Amino acid sequence: DAGVTQSPTHLIKTRGQQVTLRCSPKSGHDTVSWYQQALGQGPQFIFQYYEEEERQRGNFPDRFSGHQFPNYSSELNVNALLLGDSALYLCASSLDGTSASTDTQYFGPGTRLTVL
Amino acid sequence: GQQLNQSPQSMFIQEGEDVSMNCTSSSIFNTWLWYKQEPGEGPVLLIALYKAGELTSNGRLTAQFGITRKDSFLNISASIPSDVGIYFCAGNNYGQNFVFGPGTRLSVLP
Repeated sequence: DAGVTQSPTHLIKTRGQQVTLRCSPKSGHDTVSWYQQALGQGPQFIFQYYEEEERQRGNFPDRFSGHQFPNYSSELNVNALLLGDSALYLCASSLDGTSASTDTQYFGPGTRLTVL
Repeated sequence: GQQLNQSPQSMFIQEGEDVSMNCTSSSIFNTWLWYKQEPGEGPVLLIALYKAGELTSNGRLTAQFGITRKDSFLNISASIPSDVGIYFCAGNNYGQNFVFGPGTRLSVLP
């Protein structure tokens, strides 16, 4: 049973550049959420994708955008990178169900983004 | 917005000791999750709680969903070196995004 996978593992960019991060959800899951985790902090919710649409969004600027594909995989795009965007970007997958017991998220290993 | 607090912020314990940590919220949640994160890795789900008062165990770990629905507790019995890491709580109401606490950093001394 494949877990959540993310690519790339590490990425170095310079200010102003654009970046795309990728995530494949756990087998059987249809919902993908993206989080930003700064050093020493807990994950901060960016947005969630379900049925190829953004369903919820956290307090992040429009420079952060995403996409979900028919196979449930997802991309996170960040434009006009700032130094402050340096962080671990985590993808979490879940199954959108009719009971609260399905409301559980599993994380991937993350992509470490460094902006110089 | 919703905020979670975790205490203690960090703790140093001797191998074999029991550990207790808690998480409190400014609002009510329907689901509590506990994760462990090690350096350079994503958080790993330890325990999920779905009902107020629920007590759930996973090996040496036991977590409880507080009666007020505004808090949760995690206990680790007979700690071992591999318990080292950062423990995060996360809460949500069904259909909403999860909110994470700042974490409790656990160090186990041999």
